[in-house]
Amino acid sequence: SQTIHQWPATLVQPVGSPLSLECTVEGTSNPNLYWYRQAAGRGLQLLFYSVGIGQISSEVPQNLSASRPQDRQFILSSKKLLLSDSGFYLCAWSWGIGEAFFGQGTRLTVV
Amino acid sequence: QKEVEQDPGPLSVPEGAIVSLNCTYSNSAFQYFMWYRQYSRKGPELLMYTYSSGNKEDGRFTAQVDKSSKYISLFIRDSQPSDSATYLCATAKTSYDKVIFGPGTSLSVIP
Repeated sequence: SQTIHQWPATLVQPVGSPLSLECTVEGTSNPNLYWYRQAAGRGLQLLFYSVGIGQISSEVPQNLSASRPQDRQFILSSKKLLLSDSGFYLCAWSWGIGEAFFGQGTRLTVV
Repeated sequence: QKEVEQDPGPLSVPEGAIVSLNCTYSNSAFQYFMWYRQYSRKGPELLMYTYSSGNKEDGRFTAQVDKSSKYISLFIRDSQPSDSATYLCATAKTSYDKVIFGPGTSLSVIP
């Protein structure tokens, strides 16, 4: 069966510090991978979308970036965090039939 | 206009009530429709998945899609306190396309 791992679960970072969130998927190959952000009380905002290694689509202009160095690894990064980057970050994968499966999320607080 | 719209609620119902949750979407190219349930501080989990128009039933849950009016519904029968969560609708154009989410409806089922 397929599983998705996302870490860390919680993170507190100072403004201006770098960020690296990692997501890995097991049990499938060539999945579509997503990074979403969910602000408090709001819906899911699609940040990045990848259909293959090195193929990244950015949905929203921001100071975040994403990379997919391996088929089942998706990394969300920032060189300098802003206060507005605080939120709940979710990695997800989908394959072949439309629905997305989510990791447990990372709650990021920028202080 | 947002691609997928949903009343954010909050919606509060007594235990045992029938709950109706709804979404509208703007792009007639959407073919795949999903409902997710998200408990506080957790990643969303897939509840129901429907392709094109029609109804789909799974236990106490029924999903309906009306493509002519671009309207998606989720019905919960005999609602339970454990159904208290945020419910997100989602769509995709093709099985390999990105998944677009509505903002979610917060539901509370009162014992």
